[in-house]
Amino acid sequence: DAKTTQPTSMDCAEGRAANLPCNHSTISGNEYVYWYRQIHSQGPQYIIHGLKNNETNEMASLIITEDRKSSTLILPHATLRDTAVYYCIVRVSGNTPLVFGKGTRLSVIA
Amino acid sequence: DTGVSQDPRHKITKRGQNVTFRCDPISEHNRLYWYRQTLGQGPEFLTYFQNEAQLEKSRLLSDRFSAERPKGSFSTLEIQRTEQGDSAMYLCASSYSGIQETQYFGPGTRLLVL
Repeated sequence: DAKTTQPTSMDCAEGRAANLPCNHSTISGNEYVYWYRQIHSQGPQYIIHGLKNNETNEMASLIITEDRKSSTLILPHATLRDTAVYYCIVRVSGNTPLVFGKGTRLSVIA
Repeated sequence: DTGVSQDPRHKITKRGQNVTFRCDPISEHNRLYWYRQTLGQGPEFLTYFQNEAQLEKSRLLSDRFSAERPKGSFSTLEIQRTEQGDSAMYLCASSYSGIQETQYFGPGTRLLVL
């Protein structure tokens, strides 16, 4: 079973920052937080991952709380093409399958 | 660098027929995963390979399912005697093993069993 809890759906205005929360209160010290997204009828797309430090790449920023029990994925300037289901996944360091929950359906509205 | 490719993208078959799907991973990725996704659900793990060795199989992988990766490059997933419940999106992902292994997914094969 997935070890994360995410809201079922969220809306965001185009051009605004989209902040997607994820709770992982039972996370272990050696478990990473991964984010993927899935645009309708496509395969999941890797976004970002982190262990305990905040991470940023060209797609998004990942903010992990100090106790590591929750995290937030930030899309700084959401566009219509960011409309997708976003999955937050907790897994031990490499070598394990991904366990997906139902994710958050983000709708970016013009 | 080309991504993960899957073939075919869509397959319609009649119940009882056999189907085979192919996945070509990103070159030099030594790990290859198969997942299945039904409508409204997240992907579920089926099996994975490291090079040509099949290292783990999910309980979802019934006896009618078989996967191979004969030379450690492309992989095939065969479903024998298909059932309507096999209708789903079959996803392939590849990665290079390591502490911060990241899996990259293909576009998927959508199977409809009539």
